[in-house]
Formats: sequence, C-alpha cells, structure tokens
Amino acid sequence: DAKTTQPPSMDCAEGRAANLPCNHSTISGNEYVYWYRQIHSQGPQYIIHGLKNNETNEMASLIITEDRKSSTLILPHATLRDTAVYYCIVRVEEDTGRRALTFGSGTRLQVQP
Amino acid sequence: GAVVSQHPSRVICKSGTSVKIECRSLDFQATTMFWYRQFPKQSLMLMATSNEGSKATYEQGVEKDKFLINHASLTLSTLTVTSAHPEDSSFYICSARDVSKNTEAFFGQGTRLTVV
Repeated sequence: DAKTTQPPSMDCAEGRAANLPCNHSTISGNEYVYWYRQIHSQGPQYIIHGLKNNETNEMASLIITEDRKSSTLILPHATLRDTAVYYCIVRVEEDTGRRALTFGSGTRLQVQP
Repeated sequence: GAVVSQHPSRVICKSGTSVKIECRSLDFQATTMFWYRQFPKQSLMLMATSNEGSKATYEQGVEKDKFLINHASLTLSTLTVTSAHPEDSSFYICSARDVSKNTEAFFGQGTRLTVV
C-alpha cells in the first residue's frame, strides 16, 4: 500500500469547513484513498473513499487531485463532535476481506467552539 | 449497517492473570477478523489476523503464546491476553469486513485493558 503523509494536527472553528490534506505521491493506479477517523477512546469509523472522482456522502466530501497524488477530506460544517484523529489510507480495494488496514499517524483535528 | 461489537469495553486485571476480549460481527459473517493494539497517543498497530477455523497469523514481534486468538465461528473471534503484565495495558481493537457486500472495514468499540 502506498505511503501517506498528513499534518500531525489542525484546528478548525466550529461551524466552519475543515479541510484535511493528505499526500500520497506514490499511489498506484488501482489504489483507492480511504478516510477513517477515531474519536478518543473509540474504534475507528469509516468516513469515505474514492479512486479518482470526487466523492460526497452525508459525512464528508473527498477531493482527489487529477494526478491522484494528493487528496483533501472536507467536513463542510465542523462540530465539536468532529474532534478526532483522521487517518488517510491508500490501498487496493480487495474483495476477500483478508487484508488489514495499515494506519499512519493521522491528523488530530481539534474543533474549537 | 454492519456492526462489530467488542466486549468488554473496559477491564482491570491483576498482574499474572488472563483476560479474554470478545469480538462479534453482529449482522454479517467474517471469515477474517483483525486485532489491533493502540498505546496512548500512538496509532493503531496490527497484532494479528484471525482466520475462522484456522490458526491466526501474527505480526512480527507479537508473541502468539501470550496473545491467544480463537476464531471459532464466522461471527466470533476472541483475544486472550495471558499472564498479563502492566506493559500489556493498552487499547485493543478488533475489525472485520463484510466481504459479501464489498464494504469498508468496521471496527469494534475497543477494549481498554489496565493491568495493575
């Protein structure tokens, strides 16, 4: 799986958009970009994933650059409950379920009131 | 949606005793489950891959005789920390994926183990 680089921490004001960047310059053509988050003392939670097109769901939007070497997770209206560590993971999508996710250091997002 | 339930959420045990942690996939069958460990302010580290009906695969540096994994059914995997020591105190998390629906991985709530 390709290596990812994320800033260690970010702050965001409540109600504003939180934009979390991720660099994955060695990504391969068949690797997807996944985002998970971990709220303190809980297990990770899936947010969104994509291959090359931008994606949006009820939680967030994922913007992937045209060269796919970086992406941005956007939380459109951050709330205090969005305070968490956000992990960007690049991996091949596989259908056997036999490969574990590899977590980097992630970005600690602190939403300020 | 798919749910992975982990129990207990928190346990305190004495040094030298053993602790069992359960991980259940509630509405799907998981031939493979994963066990992670997370120390304070660190990321999740994969400990082992639990395979239904066969032996677990352990990551380098993880003692298989200390961290016993049993995956007796398609919905249950257990991790037993044997002869626990204070340095085993950590946050243990399991994960599984519903391959029939080709969905993302789901994680249990985690178990905070404190060895005193």
